[in-house]
Amino acid sequence: QVQLQESGPGLVKPSGTLSLTCAVSGGSVSSSNWWSWVRQPPGKGLEWIGEMYHSGSTIYNSSLKSRVTISIDKSKNQFSLKLSSVTAADTAVYYCARGASRSWFFDYWGQGTLVTVSS
Amino acid sequence: QSALTQPASVSGSPGQSITISCTGTSSNVGYYNLVSWYQQHPGKAPMLMIYEVSKRPSGVSNRFSGSKSGNTASLTISGLQAEDEADYYCCSYAGSSASRVFGGGTKLTVL
Repeated sequence: QVQLQESGPGLVKPSGTLSLTCAVSGGSVSSSNWWSWVRQPPGKGLEWIGEMYHSGSTIYNSSLKSRVTISIDKSKNQFSLKLSSVTAADTAVYYCARGASRSWFFDYWGQGTLVTVSS
Repeated sequence: QSALTQPASVSGSPGQSITISCTGTSSNVGYYNLVSWYQQHPGKAPMLMIYEVSKRPSGVSNRFSGSKSGNTASLTISGLQAEDEADYYCCSYAGSSASRVFGGGTKLTVL
């Protein structure tokens, strides 16, 4: 059973960089999957942020593309999200998720972590 | 504004059936048979209920079914149960440059 676990600071200052890591267990980030980030502002809906394929290809939400970097660390079996120049609008629960192999749906999700942008 | 449009809320009584719509465009829902549906209970992570328009993952009740017509996908829940009360989100593949788009979510209330 694949498990995903997000970690990182719960509080980030405005104009700073949000950094989160998703540890993968029961599976490998080297497998033929997309490794994704999704966020959910308090009381609002889900927003896809972007994802990276095991080969290194990336796709980002066009509305966030200029501020987002997703990377994979195969040695640690984890992947990461960096979001720069954050504002209060970036306050959200951030989920990591695995895109299913050879299709386009999320088959496993992390439990989510709340990141608040505030001074 | 979400790329896919869902009703904000739907409701039904136990035992009844409800349908949640998800309207996109000919660039996402209408073009690809790659719509998925997720159930989210308060404070929990989303859970996959339907993928590739109408397929059910192992372990998901057969009371959940999906379909698509043109640019609109639908999730139907039959024999409503109290435990079905949750938020539901649709998601569609939108091509290699945009990848995935979500609907705004629908809150299901079981009366």
